[in-house]
Amino acid sequence: KQEVTQIPAALSVPEGENLVLNCSFTDSAIYNLQWFRQDPGKGLTSLLLIQSSQREQTSGRLNASLDKSSGRSTLYIAASQPGDSATYLCAVRPIQGAQKLVFGQGTRLTINP
Amino acid sequence: DAGVTQSPTHLIKTRGQQVTLRCSPKSGHDTVSWYQQALGQGPQFIFQYYEEEERQRGNFPDRFSGHQFPNYSSELNVNALLLGDSALYLCASTAAGAPGYTFGSGTRLTVV
Repeated sequence: KQEVTQIPAALSVPEGENLVLNCSFTDSAIYNLQWFRQDPGKGLTSLLLIQSSQREQTSGRLNASLDKSSGRSTLYIAASQPGDSATYLCAVRPIQGAQKLVFGQGTRLTINP
Repeated sequence: DAGVTQSPTHLIKTRGQQVTLRCSPKSGHDTVSWYQQALGQGPQFIFQYYEEEERQRGNFPDRFSGHQFPNYSSELNVNALLLGDSALYLCASTAAGAPGYTFGSGTRLTVV
């Protein structure tokens, strides 16, 4: 059974810092991994999707990496801003039972001005 | 281009009642999935519909049922509501064969 873990559960940093969010998964048989952002009480906004054959994806100040063999992904946020404050979720799409996403519990990020 | 649309936004029901949530997928998408997200948790997969059939189901009881219409929109029905069914219900859509999913803003269900 695929399990996804995100560490830390919560993170508070001052504005301007570079930071890394971690995601680990137990089964490397995945099609892809997707990072989402969720504002309080809201839906999910897709940030980056990494296919299993890829090592990383970049969008603006965000960079996500994938090491499938070790079951790890990181989301790097450069020059953090107060507007980056949100919960960040990672989700894997397993090869077995490929119609669903398996989510971690998220990292609640607070950027202090 | 409208994204995934869910209705209603918020809903309060009494224990034992039945509820129907609705979802319209993003234009061009034909596959709809439903997720339940309890407070402070990651979303949990309920089921997915494609070509008006349930294609895969997560670990949820039969009280949770769904339907997909010919225009690809979908409904989630929950019978005999329990207090523990209080959660944010998210709908996600994709096109067959596409890698990623687009999520709606969710329906906040409170059972009292």
